[in-house]
Amino acid sequence: GAVVSQHPSRVICKSGTSVKIECRSLDFQATTMFWYRQFPKQSLMLMATSNEGSKATYEQGVEKDKFLINHASLTLSTLTVTSAHPEDSSFYICSARARSGVGYTFGSGTRLTVV
Amino acid sequence: GEDVEQSLFLSVREGDSSVINCTYTDSSSTYLYWYKQEPGAGLQLLTYIFSNMDMKQDQRLTVLLNKKDKHLSLRIADTQTGDSAIYFCAESIPPDSWGKLQFGAGTQVVVTP
Repeated sequence: GAVVSQHPSRVICKSGTSVKIECRSLDFQATTMFWYRQFPKQSLMLMATSNEGSKATYEQGVEKDKFLINHASLTLSTLTVTSAHPEDSSFYICSARARSGVGYTFGSGTRLTVV
Repeated sequence: GEDVEQSLFLSVREGDSSVINCTYTDSSSTYLYWYKQEPGAGLQLLTYIFSNMDMKQDQRLTVLLNKKDKHLSLRIADTQTGDSAIYFCAESIPPDSWGKLQFGAGTQVVVTP
């Protein structure tokens, strides 16, 4: 079945630094990638949607200059958390959708801790 | 508030059936999904149902959809300890059926021996 590889699985960084999270679709072309944030014991909050080759569409309240999304190819999307602060600590999950097909394939998530 | 609502917790004994309920608000949703999340992991698609279906069964999983009441349920037969997880229902948000998903808050299912 469809697989999305998300790296890193865990990262600890210092305040003020930037962190890049990668999601790769391994056996299909991800025409659309979704980036979510999940707080402990809460649901997934959609941050942005990106289509290959075009700029990401951000949800209301999500700072696009802070959460940089790049979807340069049909198999790779990246989320860069710039100038990270402790309040950015969270679980980030990507989800990919192919041009055809019904489901959305999720990455395994990245636990970001900013100290 | 969220447009998809779920009860937050369910405790079930091993071998019994589990029923997780979900209500949604957008009657034009095309697909409705059930995902499973284990601790520290991403979401695993369990099953989905198209909005013109009433029921779908896949091995131990049965999905019931009452479109009139906007009610979705997931029944897990012969619940096992490995079924302990958080279960999310989600609806695809129109007008693009293949676009965003709106998730419920998740139901924590705990299976006891």
